[in-house]
Amino acid sequence: EDKVVQSPLSLVVHEGDTVTLNCSYEVTNFRSLLWYKQEKKAPTFLFMLTSSGIEKKSGRLSSILDKKELFSILNITATQTGDSAIYLCAVEARGSNYKLTFGKGTLLTVNP
Amino acid sequence: NAGVMQNPRHLVRRRGQEARLRCSPMKGHSHVYWYRQLPEEGLKFMVYLQKENIIDESGMPKERFSAEFPKEGPSILRIQQVVRGDSAAYFCASSQGLENIQYFGAGTRLSVL
Repeated sequence: EDKVVQSPLSLVVHEGDTVTLNCSYEVTNFRSLLWYKQEKKAPTFLFMLTSSGIEKKSGRLSSILDKKELFSILNITATQTGDSAIYLCAVEARGSNYKLTFGKGTLLTVNP
Repeated sequence: NAGVMQNPRHLVRRRGQEARLRCSPMKGHSHVYWYRQLPEEGLKFMVYLQKENIIDESGMPKERFSAEFPKEGPSILRIQQVVRGDSAAYFCASSQGLENIQYFGAGTRLSVL
């Protein structure tokens, strides 16, 4: 059975700090890894990673995938209170009918 | 372009009643997925549908749960004879297919009394 483990489960930081969120996975026939941000509404798409070692970047957020060690990290620099959310990591396997396997998420709280 | 629309946002049912959850995918998307999120748990896949076809229902409980995505209208997740354990947030996602970025709706929070 495919498995995704995120760490830490929760994290409290101050505005301006840099954070690194971790996602490790076990999946047969890996196809892609996705990051989402979940506030009190729809999980919103952040990144999709398919190739090892290529960093995806959007503003203060960036993510990279290591297919050899089976993990991904999500970095947020110069955090703001608006970054407070649950960050979800999910993986998709080839031949899995596109269904996503999610981790439990990391709850990030950014204090002013 | 409106996002994935789910309604209702909140639904309260008594044990034994039926719950019907609706999902309208993003414009141009023909693939719909339903996920369930229990407290303290991650999102769990339930079912994957294309228009008029159930492609993969391996995550659906065998009894009381059904899903459809008709040619016209929204996708419906139906739970018959609800029990307290069905209380959860139910999320719908849609995609165009091959690229497989799934975009999520805001969810329906079902409470069973």
